[in-house]
Amino acid sequence: DADVTQTPRNRITKTGKRIMLECSQTKGHDRMYWYRQDPGLGLRLIYYSFDVKDINKGEISDGYSVSRQAQAKFSLSLESAIPNQTALYFCATSRTAGFEQYFGPGTRLTVT
Amino acid sequence: GENVEQHPSTLSVQEGDSAVIKCTYSDSASNYFPWYKQELGKRPQLIIDIRSNVGEKKDQRIAVTLNKTAKHFSLHITETQPEDSAVYFCAASRNTNAGKSTFGDGTTLTVKP
Repeated sequence: DADVTQTPRNRITKTGKRIMLECSQTKGHDRMYWYRQDPGLGLRLIYYSFDVKDINKGEISDGYSVSRQAQAKFSLSLESAIPNQTALYFCATSRTAGFEQYFGPGTRLTVT
Repeated sequence: GENVEQHPSTLSVQEGDSAVIKCTYSDSASNYFPWYKQELGKRPQLIIDIRSNVGEKKDQRIAVTLNKTAKHFSLHITETQPEDSAVYFCAASRNTNAGKSTFGDGTTLTVKP
């Protein structure tokens, strides 16, 4: 079955370290998204990409960067991790605007 | 930008009772309203969605209603079962090339057996 995958699934890192979270999809969707989930705060959009040449900031992009290496791959980087970036991170894809988003399994990141 | 408010943040019901979760949105141009269910330790998954040209949509025990004038939409679950226990998120987006979804903060539903 076509799917959205994320690596790693869990990561513990130290303050100041650079870390990359990777997302791959076999759904053939053009649109990809990175969200952060914190308890009681829902899903907040970090960055989104509508195709390989298109990158857009979401509502909480400070401290993060992304790379869209191919239609199927969208990576999120934390240049210098800080403890308040401890959260559950989800990648998602969609066919186009106004359609269902398909989420990856999530990456639980802890910054100590 | 779009702002979506979701209430209540937690909801506890007895098995067999109904549950209602409400969301309001601010952007009158939003026209796609999905609901996602996230079970503990799992990824969010779509359970039902509605578009602005429809006032109500049902799928077995789940229904969604939309009031465009008031800019609010609601999820209704009837005959709740323990497996309905999860976090539910509403979202709103425009059906345009620039459209992206804005999510509510989520409702934790607990169905007590």
